[in-house]
Amino acid sequence: DGGITQSPKYLFRKEGQNVTLSCEQNLNHDAMYWYRQDPGQGLRLIYYSQIVNDFQKGDIAEGYSVSREKKESFPLTVTSAQKNPTAFYLCASSILRGSTDTQYFGPGTRLTVL
Amino acid sequence: EDQVTQSPEALRLQEGESSSLNCSYTVSGLRGLFWYRQDPGKGPEFLFTLYSAGEEKEKERLKATLTKKESFLHITAPKPEDSATYLCAVQALNAGGTSYGKLTFGQGTILTVHP
Repeated sequence: DGGITQSPKYLFRKEGQNVTLSCEQNLNHDAMYWYRQDPGQGLRLIYYSQIVNDFQKGDIAEGYSVSREKKESFPLTVTSAQKNPTAFYLCASSILRGSTDTQYFGPGTRLTVL
Repeated sequence: EDQVTQSPEALRLQEGESSSLNCSYTVSGLRGLFWYRQDPGKGPEFLFTLYSAGEEKEKERLKATLTKKESFLHITAPKPEDSATYLCAVQALNAGGTSYGKLTFGQGTILTVHP
């Protein structure tokens, strides 16, 4: 089955630790995105990547880092510099060809800082 | 700056009671408006994309419409399984007339349908 997988589903982090969230897609999509969702707020863009080995900051990139070494994979690292990392993290992907650019989302990772 | 505002924040309906959700937007140039459904603890599920004013799309009990300033998600004879948060997002054209894909989301409308 084609789709987007995120792991782990739940993640607990101690203060001062870096953690990495995994995102993999087998849809052959060009672009991948990371969003953060907080209660009562819309999704906010952290980072996005249109091609391998290239990525751009979104609206709230401070305290986060990413890499795009393979087309299928776009891991997100939440660093200790992120002051309020507890949130629901969503990965998405899309094709950048043709008239549509619909983003499809993974199941999400809930990160809690202890 | 692109902005999306959804109303109401929460909506409670009886099964079979039709209603509409609103998504008001401001964007420099609209490439597309997207509706998603999100169940608790899960990722958003794609419903519709609308590209130009006057366009309408339907799926089962849902119908999405678009004007130059807002979009409506009409729910006809809802069932309890339609209970979810409905998200609206816009994608803007950049200055060069193309889009890098960024979506600006509203805060969502929480729909509860009682049997």
